[in-house]
Amino acid sequence: ETGVTQSPTHLIKTRGQQVTLRCSSQSGHNTVSWYQQALGQGPQFIFQYYREEENGRGNFPPRFSGLQFPNYSSELNVNALELDDSALYLCASSSRGQGNSPLHFGNGTRLTVT
Amino acid sequence: EDQVTQSPEALRLQEGESSSLNCSYTVSGLRGLFWYRQDPGKGPEFLFTLYSAGEEKEKERLKATLTKKESFLHITAPKPEDSATYLCAVGPILTGGGNKLTFGTGTQLKVEL
Repeated sequence: ETGVTQSPTHLIKTRGQQVTLRCSSQSGHNTVSWYQQALGQGPQFIFQYYREEENGRGNFPPRFSGLQFPNYSSELNVNALELDDSALYLCASSSRGQGNSPLHFGNGTRLTVT
Repeated sequence: EDQVTQSPEALRLQEGESSSLNCSYTVSGLRGLFWYRQDPGKGPEFLFTLYSAGEEKEKERLKATLTKKESFLHITAPKPEDSATYLCAVGPILTGGGNKLTFGTGTQLKVEL
């Protein structure tokens, strides 16, 4: 069973730039969620994708956007980067339709905005 | 809006010294309670899901319990490899918790020889 994989592992960007983070879901999973984890904090829900459509969104501005592809992989795009966007970005997959399927997380992408 | 509070923020134990971590929560609607373990530089690793008051689940030296307002993660005779941050979260149960987990800030556990 292949787990959730994310790329890149680390990234440094300048304020105002745009970034794309990538995620491959665990085999057999059809739902992808993205979370932001600031240092010393718990993960915060950004949004979830199911059947290639956004299906639930947390308290994040529209410059955070995403995609889900037919193979259930996903991208997180952040435009106009701000210093506060520096965080660990976590992707998690689960299997909707299998009631008790918990979230399985990747190891994240560490984004630093300077 | 769901809220989760974990205590203590940090806990230092000697090897073999049992203790408990606390997670208190307020939720609206049916929710599951989830425990995750997170090692430095890694993503959270799923441990347990609890759905109803009185439910208990065990895995090796860990046991999670649930009341209507709180969950406890009991660690019996911990070893240094149990050192990690333990995260508690609540989320909808209808879709297997896949939509919007609300996390606490975690308890950082350090187990020393």
